[in-house]
Amino acid sequence: DIQMTQSPSSVSASVGDSVTITCRASQPINNWLAWYQQKPGKAPRLLISAASTLQAGVPSRFSGSASGTDFTFTISSLQPEDAATYYCQQANISPDTFGQGTKLEIK
Amino acid sequence: EVQLLEAGGGLVQPGGSHRLSCVGSGFSLRSHWMSWVRQAPGKGLEWVANINPEGSGRDHVASVRGRFTVSKDNAGNSLYLQMDNLRPEDTAVYFCARTAIIGRGLDLWGQGRPVTVS
Repeated sequence: DIQMTQSPSSVSASVGDSVTITCRASQPINNWLAWYQQKPGKAPRLLISAASTLQAGVPSRFSGSASGTDFTFTISSLQPEDAATYYCQQANISPDTFGQGTKLEIK
Repeated sequence: EVQLLEAGGGLVQPGGSHRLSCVGSGFSLRSHWMSWVRQAPGKGLEWVANINPEGSGRDHVASVRGRFTVSKDNAGNSLYLQMDNLRPEDTAVYFCARTAIIGRGLDLWGQGRPVTVS
């Protein structure tokens, strides 16, 4: 199975700051990587697919990029409503494994 | 409205069986891969199973293989997860989800149903 190593496990930042989360795949995944946002008690929400494609209706302060097996997710100009847990997921080869998650706290 | 509505869940004894269902509205399941994802209390997301648009191909995570079976009824626009020989470690909220046709992300999710094995 492909392992997804996500870091950091938690991060705290202020409104207006930028935050970066990374995921590293244990083998090439052809950029089939998605990023999700999950708030407590809710289903996850797809933000980015294919490493860098922003989903319709997702604010442009969210972005993703790829370099080989390393993937980066950035939130610029943090807003209070961005407080959530973020997950990466590879969709290249089944099982479609998730990263461990990053809990974002807004100070 | 485009949505997935799940049913089922609850308290099940170890070794018991249970079936979750997920009905789609506003779109056709026959056009999409569909998945089940679970989340144990206080833990992260775990992909459980998926099935192809025709319902002829499926896969399951190793920890449930041989015990859980994903299936779909395209005519009824429904997805199912049959769970047999349940274990306490299967306790989780179970989500059904639709794979986007472009990009492979899970772009539509059910509300989640809790399953407690105790």
